[in-house]
Amino acid sequence: DVKVTQSSRYLVKRTGEKVFLECVQDMDHENMFWYRQDPGLGLRLIYFSYDVKMKEKGDIPEGYSVSREKKERFSLILESASTNQTSMYLCASSPGILATNEKLFFGSGTQLSVL
Amino acid sequence: QKEVEQNSGPLSVPEGAIASLNCTYSDRGSQSFFWYRQYSGKSPELIMFIYSNGDKEDGRFTAQLNKASQYVSLLIRDSQPSDSATYLCAAPQFGNEKLTFGTGTRLTIIP
Repeated sequence: DVKVTQSSRYLVKRTGEKVFLECVQDMDHENMFWYRQDPGLGLRLIYFSYDVKMKEKGDIPEGYSVSREKKERFSLILESASTNQTSMYLCASSPGILATNEKLFFGSGTQLSVL
Repeated sequence: QKEVEQNSGPLSVPEGAIASLNCTYSDRGSQSFFWYRQYSGKSPELIMFIYSNGDKEDGRFTAQLNKASQYVSLLIRDSQPSDSATYLCAAPQFGNEKLTFGTGTRLTIIP
């Protein structure tokens, strides 16, 4: 079974802190994604990567950056955490082009609270 | 206009009845659509994929796609309490490399 592992299930940080959310997948998938999920707003794409050292902005990249130094690892960075970044963060991976029935495999999520 | 739109619900359906979930999309170039199910406190999981006009059946689930009207629906027959979840419609964007989700419809099956 494909496994997408997020480093923390719950995280509490202070405003202004630098926050790292880590995600590792074990199936050699090309594509990796970071979403955040908020009540009433659904899943919104922050950043995605289709290759090592490659990244593309999603729909809401402001306040975030990413790093993909190795194929299996995709990190989301909050340079200076703010309270409006309190959310559930979901990492996902996929083996190829989504339109050809390649599904997303999700991690279990990180609930981040910024105080 | 959002790229993928769903009624947020909540939708309540008696056990054994048919649950009907709908999704509309704005990009006429969208070729394929996904339905994900998300139980409370869990991550989304794929339950259906459709890319051709018409119906696609998988067990109690039927996905329907109408490209002319730009809507896709999910029917759940013989609804069970275990079907209670949020259902997310999604379509690939940006050269099929990213998936855009609707806000989801919360479904509750009443025993």
